[in-house]
Amino acid sequence: GNSVTQMEGPVTLSEEAFLTINCTYTATGYPSLFWYVQYPGEGLQLLLKATKADDKGSNKGFEATYRKETTSFHLEKGSVQVSDSAVYFCALSDQGGGSNYKLTFGKGTLLTVNP
Amino acid sequence: NAGVTQTPKFQVLKTGQSMTLQCAQDMNHEYMSWYRQDPGMGLRLIHYSVGAGITDQGEVPNGYNVSRSTTEDFPLRLLSAAPSQTSVYFCASSRGSYNEQFFGPGTRLTVL
Repeated sequence: GNSVTQMEGPVTLSEEAFLTINCTYTATGYPSLFWYVQYPGEGLQLLLKATKADDKGSNKGFEATYRKETTSFHLEKGSVQVSDSAVYFCALSDQGGGSNYKLTFGKGTLLTVNP
Repeated sequence: NAGVTQTPKFQVLKTGQSMTLQCAQDMNHEYMSWYRQDPGMGLRLIHYSVGAGITDQGEVPNGYNVSRSTTEDFPLRLLSAAPSQTSVYFCASSRGSYNEQFFGPGTRLTVL
């Protein structure tokens, strides 16, 4: 079956530090990959996505590249801000096996950015 | 557009009680789903629907029922609440496969 594994948190950084949150996946078909962000007390929001190998998704200074050879979709940001403090979820939507409409999520990584 | 709305925001039930969590979207999305979020578990799919009149089970469907009589609404029913159903419930919708899912603000449910 499909699965997503992301680095466990919590991750604590100082403002302007470099961020990497690792995400690897297992899928039976040709997945689309997503990063969602959840701010305290809110629902999830799409941060970025990539739909095929070597695609780079980017938004709000965050980037992630779809690496089929390593089955990875690591999230990076060059300089984090206090407002980036949130829980980040890696997810996949798989074309194969009749699961077109299902998102499989990782367990989430809590990021705290200190001033 | 209001997007995806969920009611109530908070609910406390006693074991054995039943209730319905409401979810509505005004984006004319075909696909809707229910997830539960538990600490250290990420989000797990309960039930989903690919259109009015069509529903299917997700990863953790036991103890929950759904129906989809209209495109806009996708209620989740707890038949006989159990403490294991204490969780935060999110409803989501999207235009279809591979499209961004839009999430509601969540319902925090506690079962005593």
